[in-house]
Amino acid sequence: KNEVEQSPQNLTAQEGEFITINCSYSVGISALHWLQQHPGGGIVSLFMLSSGKKKHGRLIATINIQEKHSSLHITASHPRDSAVYICAAHLLSSGSARQLTFGSGTQLTVLP
Amino acid sequence: NAGVTQTPKFQVLKTGQSMTLQCAQDMNHEYMSWYRQDPGMGLRLIHYSVGAGITDQGEVPNGYNVSRSTTEDFPLRLLSAAPSQTSVYFCASSAWAGGLNEQFFGPGTRLTVL
Repeated sequence: KNEVEQSPQNLTAQEGEFITINCSYSVGISALHWLQQHPGGGIVSLFMLSSGKKKHGRLIATINIQEKHSSLHITASHPRDSAVYICAAHLLSSGSARQLTFGSGTQLTVLP
Repeated sequence: NAGVTQTPKFQVLKTGQSMTLQCAQDMNHEYMSWYRQDPGMGLRLIHYSVGAGITDQGEVPNGYNVSRSTTEDFPLRLLSAAPSQTSVYFCASSAWAGGLNEQFFGPGTRLTVL
């Protein structure tokens, strides 16, 4: 069982819809990242958070440390949001505090 | 700043050949790491470094070597390529500055081993 799990694996939405991608982890963490992988393959960091909520434009990330769960929300989705979204956590059980354990990603497709 | 650069972008090797994947960053980041990405799986850590002269193994280190002689460069060496090493490889870096920070990824190297 992967220590960091994402759902859903695939998500198709219509333009304008509100989207939620979930990430759960099985052990304690020090921080969690949300990443976006473009169709061309490049990976960019969206958020790093260890508590509460962060917002950047139409993207919102929340984390509940006690429930071991994080969500990424996209409001007013647009076809350009189509990408793979990846969560990655600094697990307290890792050999180094800076090591990341990744979820397998959520493929989001937003249709016009 | 160029950020994190990787070369080459694409490479085809024959089984048994060796090669080095290059990674460099110009942000003076202490932490650098190599990942491989395979279909249906999350990125997996191969090796990492917390500073010049210091490296350690990640989750899937077999068949790979690394060195960190400078802060900027972190090359990944495949000593004797195998078809199981066909994958997309990403290098990443982050600052420490007393705490965890944003991760910066290179553009990736797509490697095929025949």
